[in-house]
Amino acid sequence: QKEVEQNSGPLSVPEGAIASLNCTYSDRVSQSFFWYRQYSGKSPELIMSIYSNGDKEDGRFTAQLNKASQYVSLLIRDSQPSDSATYLCAVNALRAGSYQLTFGKGTKLSVIP
Amino acid sequence: KAGVTQTPRYLIKTRGQQVTLSCSPISGHRSVSWYQQTPGQGLQFLFEYFSETQRNKGNFPGRFSGRQFSNSRSEMNVSTLELGDSALYLCASSLVGVYAKDNEQFFGPGTRLTVL
Repeated sequence: QKEVEQNSGPLSVPEGAIASLNCTYSDRVSQSFFWYRQYSGKSPELIMSIYSNGDKEDGRFTAQLNKASQYVSLLIRDSQPSDSATYLCAVNALRAGSYQLTFGKGTKLSVIP
Repeated sequence: KAGVTQTPRYLIKTRGQQVTLSCSPISGHRSVSWYQQTPGQGLQFLFEYFSETQRNKGNFPGRFSGRQFSNSRSEMNVSTLELGDSALYLCASSLVGVYAKDNEQFFGPGTRLTVL
């Protein structure tokens, strides 16, 4: 069973703080890693993708990947109340000639004004 | 460029009925994947279509089926509906190509199915 694990939360941080979201995965052949943001009642929105070890920064978001530890994280700097959402970690692996995305169950983030 | 569209947005059915959901991918995207999202199970993969062929299938019963048309639009069908089929059904499209970024998936707004 290929699994993606996340803390379900809720994770509460004060406005302006750094929110740290973590994810581990079990399938060592995983090749691509994504973070989706999902507001209540809405569909997931792709906010970060990372394909190689290290850090990738995009605005207030930084994704970190460590393939040896099978670990992906998302840092949100200067957290805003509008960042309050569920964050889904997703892992892509090539199977039977096509990529299959496996999702964690998500971490609910609440940014307190 | 227009995003992924799904119709209908909401459906209410009764047990035993069947339902067909539709998904139009982003223009130029050739792969469509379907997911079921429930509060308890999260996002679960149903199947993926590329060039009118099902390439991957998740662990769902045969009551769940799908197809893809030559214009990449896709439909999924659920027959003999059960109460447990109540969920948000999401489709996602991707470009498909040699670069990793070509396989990023973008979601439509979803169809909320309620089975009574």
